[in-house]
Amino acid sequence: GDSVTQMEGPVTLSEEAFLTINCTYTATGYPSLFWYVQYPGEGLQLLLKATKADDKGSNKGFEATYRKETTSFHLEKGSVQVSDSAVYFCALRTNAGKSTFGDGTTLTVKP
Amino acid sequence: DGGITQSPKYLFRKEGQNVTLSCEQNLNHDAMYWYRQDPGQGLRLIYYSQIVNDFQKGDIAEGYSVSREKKESFPLTVTSAQKNPTAFYLCASSINAGRTYEQYFGPGTRLTVT
Repeated sequence: GDSVTQMEGPVTLSEEAFLTINCTYTATGYPSLFWYVQYPGEGLQLLLKATKADDKGSNKGFEATYRKETTSFHLEKGSVQVSDSAVYFCALRTNAGKSTFGDGTTLTVKP
Repeated sequence: DGGITQSPKYLFRKEGQNVTLSCEQNLNHDAMYWYRQDPGQGLRLIYYSQIVNDFQKGDIAEGYSVSREKKESFPLTVTSAQKNPTAFYLCASSINAGRTYEQYFGPGTRLTVT
């Protein structure tokens, strides 16, 4: 079956540090890939997505590139802020109509 | 504003009682989903529906039931058969079941059963 493996957390960074959260996947079909963010006590929000190989998704300074050869979709941001503290989920979706989520990575940014 | 609403935000029930969680969307989306989230874990799919009057079991459907009588509504009933019902429940929708479409999530309902 499909699966998503995320870098284990928690991750703690100082403000303005560089962020990488690793995500790799296995899928039976050709998936689209997503990063969602969840703030405490809330639902998930889409952060960015990529629907085909070599696509780069970007939003609010975050970026991720769909790498089919390494089955990866790592999330990066050049300079994190305290407001980026949240839980980040990598997910894939195939034409079966269901999404598969990673376990989430908790990011804490300290001033 | 278009979006997904879930009510209530917090719900408390005694063991042995059935409870229904509400999920409504005004995005005109065809597909709707229910997930369960436990502390420190990812999302597990309970049920999903790709069209009105049709739904499928997800990975952890035992002890849960759903209905999809209207496009905008997808209520989830947690029955007394669910052995460990205390969790955070998230409802989501997407335009349809196609692979390129992201999911939109509601704010969640935190259910506590004692």
